[in-house]
Amino acid sequence: EAGVVQSPRYKIIEKKQPVAFWCNPISGHNTLYWYRQNLGQGPELLIRYENEEAVDDSQLPKDRFSAERLKGVDSTLKIQPAELGDSAVYLCASSLVGWRDNEQFFGPGTRLTVL
Amino acid sequence: EDKVVQSPLSLVVHEGDTVTLNCSYEVTNFRSLLWYKQEKKAPTFLFMLTSSGIEKKSGRLSSILDKKELFSILNITATQTGDSAIYLCAVISQNFVFGPGTRLSVLP
Repeated sequence: EAGVVQSPRYKIIEKKQPVAFWCNPISGHNTLYWYRQNLGQGPELLIRYENEEAVDDSQLPKDRFSAERLKGVDSTLKIQPAELGDSAVYLCASSLVGWRDNEQFFGPGTRLTVL
Repeated sequence: EDKVVQSPLSLVVHEGDTVTLNCSYEVTNFRSLLWYKQEKKAPTFLFMLTSSGIEKKSGRLSSILDKKELFSILNITATQTGDSAIYLCAVISQNFVFGPGTRLSVLP
């Protein structure tokens, strides 16, 4: 069974440029998460989707970050414009329905470097 | 605000040693606690703990939860160099909150 797929794996951009990350969850997983992980820290939840609905986006910096999950499968996370402090690993994860009772499976992440 | 604390933050041992990693939490409406291992890539799931006092075991790894004292430990016996990783503790409550992780280095 294929795991969570993310692309690109690495991205280097200059500040003020836009960037987008893509995630394809495990088939059948209706809950999808985007996390940001800074060096030396645990992942921090940015947004959680149940199907196509964003049910928890309280930690998403909405002035520059946006996300979508059209059709309740793939998801895209966008930053526009990027700032130096956005350099981090962006992790996507998915889980079965009933997110509080099921472990999350993580993708390999996208390492973003903003110069 | 939900909070998850791990200790130590960093640990260096030699192969064959036994290690104990700690995770304590302060959350509202605790549901479960999870342990993940993160090497260079994505965190990989180790254990999910929901009930106090029931040890979960997988090979040389084991974990237990104390819901009264609000902590969990992860034990690794007879450590190997392949155990070198960051071990993340996460708590499911109303949110999904990760701790900062413990960076374990196992020297040959």
